[in-house]
Amino acid sequence: NAGVTQTPKFQVLKTGQSMTLQCAQDMNHEYMSWYRQDPGMGLRLIHYSVGAGITDQGEVPNGYNVSRSTTEDFPLRLLSAAPSQTSVYFCASSYQNPSLRGYTFGSGTRLTVV
Amino acid sequence: EDKVVQSPLSLVVHEGDTVTLNCSYEVTNFRSLLWYKQEKKAPTFLFMLTSSGIEKKSGRLSSILDKKELFSILNITATQTGDSAIYLCAPGSGGGADGLTFGKGTHLIIQP
Repeated sequence: NAGVTQTPKFQVLKTGQSMTLQCAQDMNHEYMSWYRQDPGMGLRLIHYSVGAGITDQGEVPNGYNVSRSTTEDFPLRLLSAAPSQTSVYFCASSYQNPSLRGYTFGSGTRLTVV
Repeated sequence: EDKVVQSPLSLVVHEGDTVTLNCSYEVTNFRSLLWYKQEKKAPTFLFMLTSSGIEKKSGRLSSILDKKELFSILNITATQTGDSAIYLCAPGSGGGADGLTFGKGTHLIIQP
């Protein structure tokens, strides 16, 4: 099993550009989430999904869109990149509510917006 | 609003020392408390605690939960340089968002 796969691992964007961070899992997990991690800030939830076709906002959703057309994939779209979105992004998945099983995390995408 | 406070935020000790990391929380509909270790990349799961007073152990690491006082501790004995990492605690709740709220983490550095 590959687990949770994130691509790309590194990305540099110019202000105003758009891009999609990819996340795929092969564990048939229903729950998937996107977090961003900034120095001294821990993990902050951007968006999450409890199953295909269902998404909701987390703590810091502004500037990001998600969709969940299949159980396996949960891409994160940056609509118009801003320097404040420079961060490390983690995708995570869980078989059921993560308060019961915890999350499996991807290896992260380091994004720099210049 | 759910709140998670980890202390200390950073800690530097020498190999062989014992460390105690703290996590206090306020969440609605509490279900569990999870501990993760994060080295250079993704957080990896350490423990999930659901009952007060029952210690969970894995080698030199152990953790315990106090649901009355709303805190958990993570102990690491006979520390090694490989224990250097950020340790994250995350209480899980049955209500709101995706069920986990992460603290800011404790950055632990073990010096040889």
